[in-house]
Amino acid sequence: DQQVKQNSPSLSVQEGRISILNCDYTNSMFDYFLWYKKYPAEGPTFLISISSIKDKNEDGRFTVFLNKSAKHLSLHIVPSQPGDSAVYFCAASGGGSQGNLIFGKGTKLSVKP
Amino acid sequence: NAGVTQTPKFRVLKTGQSMTLLCAQDMNHEYMYWYRQDPGMGLRLIHYSVGEGTTAKGEVPDGYNVSRLKKQNFLLGLESAAPSQTSVYFCASSFPLSGPLDSSTDTQYFGPGTRLTVL
Repeated sequence: DQQVKQNSPSLSVQEGRISILNCDYTNSMFDYFLWYKKYPAEGPTFLISISSIKDKNEDGRFTVFLNKSAKHLSLHIVPSQPGDSAVYFCAASGGGSQGNLIFGKGTKLSVKP
Repeated sequence: NAGVTQTPKFRVLKTGQSMTLLCAQDMNHEYMYWYRQDPGMGLRLIHYSVGEGTTAKGEVPDGYNVSRLKKQNFLLGLESAAPSQTSVYFCASSFPLSGPLDSSTDTQYFGPGTRLTVL
């Protein structure tokens, strides 16, 4: 049973607009959430994270929002750029995962010029 | 500071052959991981290690073995390769002992991957 779900396999956005990537989780004991970005033929790179004691974390164009009651987090990219085109993975840890990350299946973002 | 490196980058095996994938990290991380990525499946944990000399099974350990003889290296072995093991394999590391002990120690840093094809 998937504990971390990214229900949109793909997303297409126009350059300059906002990209919103969504992630849902089922384990209420998760206390740390991360987003990774992956280009083809490269390893995932850490993008941004948020602890469960916060509801928002911002880093430049990237903001992650956490809604614990809904068990939902989202990544906002504003403004979107063609270089943001990649696969984005949501991950969670805590709640007995022993430091292991539980990954979603990823969302492929395409930013069109 | 090279981060996490993986050797080799590509490999083609015949069914039944064996091979070892090498992962090395120079960040003094305690934890190391091996994942496989398949289309539509995300990243699935094969085995992991929480320190030198220790290993543990992840989500999909069958057909693989691992060893962590040195803190900086984590080896993934395939004793008898099968076509179902065709995948991209990623190594990652985390948990530096120095610095504050908080949940950010769960952040994993990945290598560039090894693309393995088993014919």
